Amino acid sequence: DILMTQSPPSLSASVGDRVTISCRASQSITSYLNWYQQKSGKAPTLLIHGAFNLQSGVPSRFSGKGSGTDFTLTISSLQPDDFATYYCLQTYSAPRTFGQGTKVEIK
Amino acid sequence: VQVVESGGGLVQPGRSLRLSCTASGFNVGDYSMSWVRLTPGKGLEWVGFIRTTTYGGTTDYAASVRGRFHISRDDSKNIAYLQMDSLKTEDTGVYYCNGGFNYYYMDVWGKGTTVTVSS
Repeated sequence: DILMTQSPPSLSASVGDRVTISCRASQSITSYLNWYQQKSGKAPTLLIHGAFNLQSGVPSRFSGKGSGTDFTLTISSLQPDDFATYYCLQTYSAPRTFGQGTKVEIK
Repeated sequence: VQVVESGGGLVQPGRSLRLSCTASGFNVGDYSMSWVRLTPGKGLEWVGFIRTTTYGGTTDYAASVRGRFHISRDDSKNIAYLQMDSLKTEDTGVYYCNGGFNYYYMDVWGKGTTVTVSS
């Protein structure tokens, strides 16, 4: 199984900050990497698919980069609605696997 | 386009439970349908999925549930199922059904149904 390692596990940031979350795969997954946001008590929502493609309706402050084994999710200017937990998910091969999550908290 | 999960509840260890995922606005046969769970104190865990006929209609599962869980779908009812057998306390969590027309990402999610495995 492909192991996905996310970092950091949590971070504190202020509104307006630029935030970057990393995700590393244990082997190449080319660009088959998705990012999800999950707020407490809610279902996950898709932010980015295919490593860098912004899902329809998602604000442009979210962006994704990377290929192979190393990927990042960047929020260019953190907004109050962005405080949540973020997960990467590889869909290169089955079983699909999530990263451990990064909780973004208010500083 | 939406999915709604049902069938969660309290069940004793070793027993079985079947979750349903009722789709509207699309045909489950045209979407890859998967199940994801959020377990207490942990993050999201991919449980398994069923591919469309185009991709063979086959299933795959996480190692933690392989041999105990089984995913199927009924195209006539537009429902996907998660049959969970030999349940363990560590299977406790919120189970989300999700689907994707594109094989490589799931963009339709339900609100989840809670499964509690306890004696």
